[in-house]
Amino acid sequence: GAVVSQHPSRVICKSGTSVKIECRSLDFQATTMFWYRQFPKKSLMLMATSNEGSKATYEQGVEKDKFLINHASLTLSTLTVTSAHPEDSSFYICSARDGGPLSYEQYFGPGTRLTVT
Amino acid sequence: AQTVTQSQPEMSVQEAETVTLSCTYDTSESNYYLFWYKQPPSRQMILVIRQEAYKQQNATENRFSVNFQKAAKSFSLKISDSQLGDTAMYFCAISGGATNKLIFGTGTLLAVQP
Repeated sequence: GAVVSQHPSRVICKSGTSVKIECRSLDFQATTMFWYRQFPKKSLMLMATSNEGSKATYEQGVEKDKFLINHASLTLSTLTVTSAHPEDSSFYICSARDGGPLSYEQYFGPGTRLTVT
Repeated sequence: AQTVTQSQPEMSVQEAETVTLSCTYDTSESNYYLFWYKQPPSRQMILVIRQEAYKQQNATENRFSVNFQKAAKSFSLKISDSQLGDTAMYFCAISGGATNKLIFGTGTLLAVQP
């Protein structure tokens, strides 16, 4: 089956610093990747859709200057949380889609727990 | 816009019993897909079952089956012979339209009791 990895699995950073999270599709090419945020005991909230070679599409209310997304290759998308603050502490999950826009299957990474102190 | 509603925040079932999780949705798309995902304590999202809206036959995967009522926009999940490993958060989700984004419900926390 399709495998998606995320790195790091856990990260602690100081307030005001930036942190980068990587999402990789290990055995397939992903033209589209998605970034979600999940608060404790809550649902997944879509933050942005990342398309290889083009700018990400952000959901309403998500600050694109705060959450920088880069999808430089067909197997890698990165999410950078800039000038992180304690309220950015959360669980971040990526998913990757195998195929074109009409493909419905998404494969999820294991998530990254970000703690900002 | 597409929305998904899960009205049961928490449910409990005895091991080996059957439990049904409810889900209703709304969409203006004619072609869409419905999913149930499981999120165990590890927090890894696991696809349990999916249903193509154009298919009338209810999807089945081993102990998991759905009751898809298209006119009522209802998509419930039945878990038969519940096992302790089924303890998890279950999310109902829909995708469709030009972007095929996944929209999740708020989830149902299922506890299987020994």
